[in-house]
Amino acid sequence: NAGVTQTPKFRVLKTGQSMTLLCAQDMNHEYMYWYRQDPGMGLRLIHYSVGEGTTAKGEVPDGYNVSRLKKQNFLLGLESAAPSQTSVYFCASTSLAGGYNEQFFGPGTRLTVL
Amino acid sequence: GQNIDQPTEMTATEGAIVQINCTYQTSGFNGLFWYQQHAGEAPTFLSYNVLDGLEEKGRFSSFLSRSKGYSYLLLKELQMKDSASYLCAVSPVSGYSTLTFGKGTMLLVSP
Repeated sequence: NAGVTQTPKFRVLKTGQSMTLLCAQDMNHEYMYWYRQDPGMGLRLIHYSVGEGTTAKGEVPDGYNVSRLKKQNFLLGLESAAPSQTSVYFCASTSLAGGYNEQFFGPGTRLTVL
Repeated sequence: GQNIDQPTEMTATEGAIVQINCTYQTSGFNGLFWYQQHAGEAPTFLSYNVLDGLEEKGRFSSFLSRSKGYSYLLLKELQMKDSASYLCAVSPVSGYSTLTFGKGTMLLVSP
């Protein structure tokens, strides 16, 4: 049981390049989330999904797109990377089966945009 | 909207007790989470409070007052490995699935 995994762990992009971050979970969770974490800013929600084929915007969605084609995967795309998108990106998942939404986090992706 | 406040940094000595406070003003409230995050790692779940009162789990306890919009995390018998960032997060009205996180409190435990 791997939990939540993220690919890649590190990436350096040039301004204007595109990339996709992959999140996978093997816990059969319905809900998945993408956050970014910047010094002094805490965790901020980018986009989330409440089920396969559905996505919704979070607090800071601009410049990002997401897709949830399979229940276990949640992809985060940057179409034209900007230096302001330099950050650590965390994926998380949860199930409301227990009555509350404890989120399980992946190890993070450290992205630098030059 | 959501507003969550916690101290930026705290320091304490090994073996001591430390209390990390969190105040919140939110448009809806269902419960409050505490997460621990070591440098360079992912956040991990510590506790969840939905009712007023104290929840104890080993060396860690968490308290909630819904009427005051206030919570604290109490860490006893501090160890060096407790040096980490502690994140307070609020869950809105039941049925929603998102969390709003505070900016975190960096705790440094010294010998």
